[in-house]
This record gives sequence, structure tokens and C-alpha cells, in this order.
Amino acid sequence: GIQVEQSPPDLILQEGANSTLRCNFSDSVNNLQWFHQNPWGQLINLFYIPSGTKQNGRLSATTVATERYSLLYISSSQTTDSGVYFCAVVGFKKGGSEKLVFGKGTKLTVNP
Amino acid sequence: DTGVSQDPRHKITKRGQNVTFRCDPISEHNRLYWYRQTLGQGPEFLTYFQNEAQLEKSRLLSDRFSAERPKGSFSTLEIQRTEQGDSAMYLCASSTGASNEKLFFGSGTQLSVL
Repeated sequence: GIQVEQSPPDLILQEGANSTLRCNFSDSVNNLQWFHQNPWGQLINLFYIPSGTKQNGRLSATTVATERYSLLYISSSQTTDSGVYFCAVVGFKKGGSEKLVFGKGTKLTVNP
Repeated sequence: DTGVSQDPRHKITKRGQNVTFRCDPISEHNRLYWYRQTLGQGPEFLTYFQNEAQLEKSRLLSDRFSAERPKGSFSTLEIQRTEQGDSAMYLCASSTGASNEKLFFGSGTQLSVL
């Protein structure tokens, strides 16, 4: 099945810093989503972005489908951005599985 | 707006007991998914439903696990004869049904098997 690799596994920032999280995937996808899991365990959907670029406030994401990677940018980080960021994909295969496959995540800690 | 609701939030049980979790998806969502997450890992797919039909089951889902969605609305996940290795967060998610739609997750049920 499709493989999803996220980097870095851990990231520690000072409040106000910018960061870039990366997601590599092993096959073509027709669905790619970024999630934030807060310290209480709730998974929040940040972006649906199988290709192209989207922005939402201080967060933006870019997926280059032909090169099989996606990037999540966090600008002017705040302590509330702390948590784990997951990338998840659905492989593009006719008649194939439609389940989202998750990476292992990037754990972000933003210090005041 | 009610999001995805899961019950209970926490469950502690003894090895060998049966447990059942409930998930109520967002009302207009046709697809319902169950995932399992252990510490330090991403969510792992267990199974999903399109309305009342169970369309895919992971090989992770042993025959001690069963899921139902009898009327295409809420779903239950039952684990029989629980083992310590079943301890995990069980997450439910729903979507509108198209493969290119966002997934929305509930808060999860944390299972501890003693």
C-alpha cells in the first residue's frame, strides 16, 4: 500500500518563529489532508489539498503531486500551535482502497 | 452544528471482557470510519461504511472486532475478549462520501485493558 513519511519527527520553536513540515508519499494520490492533533487528542482538519496551494490565516500548504510531496507552513507560531501534525493520503488507484493512510506525524512544541 | 460524537470518552476494562463503543457521525455524512491510534503513532485504519454497508476492513481487524452501522446513522465497534494489546485510542470519523472530501474526527474513546 501507499507509504507516507513525515519530517522532521520533532520540532521545537520559540513563539514567533516560522516552520515548514514535510510529507512525502510513495504513489499518486487523489486526496491529501493535513490534520492537527491538539494536546487533548482532538484531530482537527486543517487542509484538503491533493494539489496546489491553500492558505488559512498563519497556515498554508502546498502539494506538488507530480513530485509526491506536500509542505505545511506555519508562520509566526503561537503556543497554541503545539501538538502533532499529521499528513494523510488516499492513493489514486482505480478500484483501490479509499481509506486515508496517515504518516507518523511531526510533533511541534512552541515555547513562550 | 454537532460534530462527530463518540461515547464513552474513556473505558477501563479487565482482560477478557467485551467492550462496545458508539459513534454518531455528522448528520448528513454518508461515510463513517473507525481508526485506532497508539501512543506516538498516526491513526491506523480499521474499517469504513458507506451508509449501512461495510466496504473495507483492515487486516488489523481480527475476528474479535466487529463493527456495525445498522441504519446508516450511528455505528458501534465491539471488541470481544479484550487483550492488553487492544489498549489504544479508538477514533471515529465521518465524511460526505466522495473520495475527495475532508474527514472530520470525533474526540475518541480511550480504552485501557488491565
